Amino acid sequence: EIVMTQSPATLSVSPGERATLSCRASQSISTKLAWYQQRPGQAPRLLIYGASTRATGIPARFSGSGSGTEFTLTISSLQSEDFALYYCQEYNNWPLYTFGPGTKLDIK
Amino acid sequence: EVQLVQSGAEVKKPGESLKISCKASGYRFTSQWVVWVRQMPGKGLECMGIVFPGDSETRYSPSFQGQVTISADESINTAYLQWSSLKASDTAMYYCATYSESLGLDVWGQGTTVSVSS
Repeated sequence: EIVMTQSPATLSVSPGERATLSCRASQSISTKLAWYQQRPGQAPRLLIYGASTRATGIPARFSGSGSGTEFTLTISSLQSEDFALYYCQEYNNWPLYTFGPGTKLDIK
Repeated sequence: EVQLVQSGAEVKKPGESLKISCKASGYRFTSQWVVWVRQMPGKGLECMGIVFPGDSETRYSPSFQGQVTISADESINTAYLQWSSLKASDTAMYYCATYSESLGLDVWGQGTTVSVSS
């Protein structure tokens, strides 16, 4: 079973600044890694797939990188609507397609 | 526009049965997997199982095998998640989402809240 970890658990950043979120897989998942954003009371939304490709309609300030076991989501200039929960997920190994525990992005 | 519209909130008692739905539109329903995801109150996301409506192939995560049944009816473009005997621990938000090997879970339903209490 692949274990996904995310750090930090909570990240406090000021609007306009850059945020860097990390995700680690317990074994290699190539680039089968997705990032999701979940705002309070809403369903998750796909941001990044294939570790680095933005999903349709996702602003260019969101970028993903990494392969193997180490991955990063960067938000270049935080807008008010970006303060939310972020989950990474591996989709390389059914039957689990495990999500990470999430990073809460807070306004500083 | 690809859309998944889920059935409404449910309030049930322990031991009751339940079937919730996820109606797809805007794409060929039989050609893409549908995943069910659980989110317990204040917790993270867990994949429960997936169904391929084209041939009804179904796969379950080990934690959910035997606990729920996932199915699909291609004639009405709808996927289902059902319980035969609910427990209080089934209280959660349940999401359906489309899945592909290249994109992951790319389109999500709005979620169905299930509350189980005596």
